[in-house]
Amino acid sequence: GEDVEQSLFLSVREGDSSVINCTYTDSSSTYLYWYKQEPGAGLQLLTYIFSNMDMKQDQRLTVLLNKKDKHLSLRIADTQTGDSAIYFCAESNESGGSYIPTFGRGTSLIVHP
Amino acid sequence: DADVTQTPRNRITKTGKRIMLECSQTKGHDRMYWYRQDPGLGLRLIYYSFDVKDINKGEISDGYSVSRQAQAKFSLSLESAIPNQTALYFCATSDQAGIADTQYFGPGTRLTVL
Repeated sequence: GEDVEQSLFLSVREGDSSVINCTYTDSSSTYLYWYKQEPGAGLQLLTYIFSNMDMKQDQRLTVLLNKKDKHLSLRIADTQTGDSAIYFCAESNESGGSYIPTFGRGTSLIVHP
Repeated sequence: DADVTQTPRNRITKTGKRIMLECSQTKGHDRMYWYRQDPGLGLRLIYYSFDVKDINKGEISDGYSVSRQAQAKFSLSLESAIPNQTALYFCATSDQAGIADTQYFGPGTRLTVL
């Protein structure tokens, strides 16, 4: 089965908050990430959270981690049309001195006026 | 200028042809990766390299090979392309001294195998 799961689509109205959810299976995950992919571009790291944290906030972005339920969420406040993109959840744990991420399938966020 | 560049950006080829995708980076990172993206399947790791003499298989290496010609260059080859290798291919880098192996992605190469 999948290591990282997320729903494929989310549609919100401009100005509303968006919440993108993700679940993962690896209880030893050390880092959890959110990447953003805009049309025609590669992925770009939005934010990451260390597994001993519950929450991380960065301007309009809030990441919540429920380690017990292996659930990660990304909240985007005051969503704008420029936030329309695919958002990838990813997790990693240490292996041979590296933290190569495992990505979910991506959630397409559609922001409409 | 882009830190991670990929050439070509688009390529159409025929079944059985050999094709090479190239990746260059100016970030000075020692680690480089090749991923494949298919709609609805997310990103899957093909190969990765932690330095010039290091090559490792990823989740889906069958049908692919790589070459790390220099710290800044990492190429992906399809020896005999087949239609189910039609996908979007991304090169990425990370810094061993960085945090959490944060991946820095190139713009992607769209490959179509007819």
